Amino acid sequence: EVQLVESGGGLVQPGGSLRLSCAASGFTFSSYAMTWVRQAPGKGLEWISTLTSSGGSTYYADSVKGRFTISRDNSKNTLYLQMNSLRAEDTAIYYCARERVVGATGDAFNIWGQGTVVTVSS
Amino acid sequence: DIQMTQSPSTLSASVGERVTITCRASRSISSWLAWYQQKPGKAPKLLMYEASRLESGVPSRFSGSGSGTEFTLTISSLQPDDFATYFCQQYIDDSRSTFGGGTKVEI
Repeated sequence: EVQLVESGGGLVQPGGSLRLSCAASGFTFSSYAMTWVRQAPGKGLEWISTLTSSGGSTYYADSVKGRFTISRDNSKNTLYLQMNSLRAEDTAIYYCARERVVGATGDAFNIWGQGTVVTVSS
Repeated sequence: DIQMTQSPSTLSASVGERVTITCRASRSISSWLAWYQQKPGKAPKLLMYEASRLESGVPSRFSGSGSGTEFTLTISSLQPDDFATYFCQQYIDDSRSTFGGGTKVEI
């Protein structure tokens, strides 16, 4: 079964750090670009970062650029999101998602994890 | 950044009704548009890609159309399982995807 499972969310104080993980199974992880999307409580979806299949190129939304770092370990079939200098407005459900097409960057997302909740509050 | 505007934000409908949701892009995105369905507490589910292509396993009552800056998602006969929030997404820009604000379809 094709699956993505996020972990690492939790409660963190403003200015703190957190690392999210997304474990992939059921497909050739190293062949796909991967993305993080978040959803603030009661709000819409926000694309925040994409990493190419090889890990050679990264893309970030302005809202997280310079604070968040996306990475992957293809030997462990795992995607990461290192989040530093967290702010209250980073409070959201964080989803990892897989591009629909092998090797593509910039495509629809046909596989999503269940999400992990990040709460930034003192 | 390309802005995606969905309308309406909320739509009240009944089972069996035909429902149409609109998504407008701030500039042309050709056909690089996807539609997602999201139910409370769940991850989004891909319904359509490339504006009009139905994702595998999605019922044929869902259809998509449009190109350039204006797009529609149509549900031909609303079913109880279709009450949810729908989002559009542009992906013409490899490095910066954006989503619409969402349309909640309710009874």
